Amino acid sequence: GGIITQTPKFLIGQEGQKLTLKCQQNFNHDTMYWYRQDSGKGLRLIYYSITENDLQKGDLSEGYDASREKKSSFSLTVTSAQKNEMAVFLCASSPGTKNTLYFGAGTRLSVL
Amino acid sequence: GDSVTQTEGPVTVSESESLIINCTYSATSIAYPNLFWYVRYPGEGLQLLLKVITAGQKGSSRGFEATYNKETTSFHLQKASVQESDSAVYYCALGDNTNTGKLTFGDGTVLTVKP
Repeated sequence: GGIITQTPKFLIGQEGQKLTLKCQQNFNHDTMYWYRQDSGKGLRLIYYSITENDLQKGDLSEGYDASREKKSSFSLTVTSAQKNEMAVFLCASSPGTKNTLYFGAGTRLSVL
Repeated sequence: GDSVTQTEGPVTVSESESLIINCTYSATSIAYPNLFWYVRYPGEGLQLLLKVITAGQKGSSRGFEATYNKETTSFHLQKASVQESDSAVYYCALGDNTNTGKLTFGDGTVLTVKP
């Protein structure tokens, strides 16, 4: 088995601040994803990457950057945090076979 | 775009009762979507419960079943007799049939099973 590790678990930022979330996987999966989940809502895709150094925009990419410098890691940057923004960011990976995704525990973001 | 609509929660049932959580989908950009149920148990991460990639087929796991109905664009989750340990949040999702693995999720249904 493998694991997806997201850091930090909790992130508190200030309005306008640039914030970076990190994700590591040891499944050796090719594809990685960042999803955002607002309270009581479903997950929305921000970015995904099908291989090292590849980046593909999801439905919610505005306001975010991503980076995939190694196969095992995928980071997400909130370019300018919005006041009162609260959400959970979920990282996932997939071997690319029929969409089974494996998720990390999430990073909970609060912006003051 | 693509979308998934599922039973609004919270849903509360008693142990040993039957359960159905409705899920309907609209796949405007995908001719043959793959369909999934993911689950988040308390204190745990989101995990796959079951998936079906072929219309007309049924998937099952942990006593839950769901049938991919292309005619009614539905993928309802059912269980004949729930247990307290089934209390969780359930998410219906659809994906394209490429290897990108992109998923579109419903808003989730909170299920509480009373002992």
